[in-house]
Amino acid sequence: EPEVTQTPSHQVTQMGQEVILRCVPISNHLYFYWYRQILGQKVEFLVSFYNNEISEKSEIFDDQFSVERPDGSNFTLKIRSTKLEDSAMYFCASSPGVAYGYTFGSGTRLTVV
Amino acid sequence: AQSVTQLGSHVSVSEGALVLLRCNYSSSVPPYLFWYVQYPNQGLQLLLKYTSAATLVKGINGFEAEFKKSETSFHLTKPSAHMSDAAEYFCAVSEGHTGNQFYFGTGTSLTVIP
Repeated sequence: EPEVTQTPSHQVTQMGQEVILRCVPISNHLYFYWYRQILGQKVEFLVSFYNNEISEKSEIFDDQFSVERPDGSNFTLKIRSTKLEDSAMYFCASSPGVAYGYTFGSGTRLTVV
Repeated sequence: AQSVTQLGSHVSVSEGALVLLRCNYSSSVPPYLFWYVQYPNQGLQLLLKYTSAATLVKGINGFEAEFKKSETSFHLTKPSAHMSDAAEYFCAVSEGHTGNQFYFGTGTSLTVIP
């Protein structure tokens, strides 16, 4: 069964550093998403991406965050200057259309120290 | 705006007993509803979905859920719990338009007692 692949599985970074989280969505999916889950809390929407542009973003997704689909396969989330509170599990998801549900990757655990 | 409420952040059942995880939603339009399961240190896996077809939806691993519009509910059930069902379960709602985000509930942690 097709999978959404996320790398790395765990990243530790120093506060103030830039990080890039990478995702390879399922190849025939058109909609891409980033969610995050702070330890012990619910899954929160960050951003959705369709047709090479952001279609929706949450309040969490401020100027420190950006997304890119630099080629036909990768979908990246960049955090420019990480804060301690950015420590969370970040999930990438893709979908052919919302009625089908999302397929989530296994996540990247980001730890900011 | 959509939202999801999951009653009970922790549910414990005995092995072989009925599993009932509650989810109520609010939506200004007919919703799409989903249940996801998250095993420890893993991603979110789709259990089942309701997208305006049959109101009783069957999913993987013996789970099912019933959409009740009058009660704005989409509770998840399984007749007989198995030890392997221990996980975090998330209910999610979407407006149903292509590309719209999901709104997740806060999750219910299911413990299965041998």
